[in-house]
Amino acid sequence: GESVGLHLPTLSVQEGDNSIINCAYSNSASDYFIWYKQESGKGPQFIIDIRSNMDKRQGQRVTVLLNKTVKHLSLQIAATQPGDSAVYFCAENIGWGTDKLIFGTGTRLQVFP
Amino acid sequence: EADIYQTPRYLVIGTGKKITLECSQTMGHDKMYWYQQDPGMELHLIHYSYGVNSTEKGDLSSESTVSRIRTEHFPLTLESARPSHTSQYLCASIGGEQYFGPGTRLTVT
Repeated sequence: GESVGLHLPTLSVQEGDNSIINCAYSNSASDYFIWYKQESGKGPQFIIDIRSNMDKRQGQRVTVLLNKTVKHLSLQIAATQPGDSAVYFCAENIGWGTDKLIFGTGTRLQVFP
Repeated sequence: EADIYQTPRYLVIGTGKKITLECSQTMGHDKMYWYQQDPGMELHLIHYSYGVNSTEKGDLSSESTVSRIRTEHFPLTLESARPSHTSQYLCASIGGEQYFGPGTRLTVT
């Protein structure tokens, strides 16, 4: 079947290296940010989130950094594995209790052995 | 893994046909969403609901309609399918984090 991410920016990394995926968000009033992983043929899967009152949050092998000054979000994946290969999207919640998410352009992560 | 289901997973249909894409969740979430995603592109919100009998249009204009008669069910309908409707349609619900279904890949010939 057709793959998601044919026209997306691509990041290629060696297995075991760290990956950094960047995202610029649009709305300075956004108060909640999420990173999703989408594998081919599947819906997006939640990875990690961060609220606007934080600048860093760590999960298992993943870290999200938030820079509100320049409206920038990054996802760091430590010791990248072949199973991490997917398209990664950031999303911002524009707030005001709407729980409406605006998705950024995704990045395709390719992990080579 | 979240309990949110979409059927059919794949659908090829001719122009002018009426279709309904099904979405169900068993988590009791009030907020549900439909997104449209073209290959290689970001997700765009087309409809959302905050509960039974509540439906709103999203940020991307869509010729589809939705209904929310039961909490667990949020179907999307296209009265007359056109080739421009060819896309992937993703359903989601929120309970804490947002859970996505597997999507329906629609092709209109």
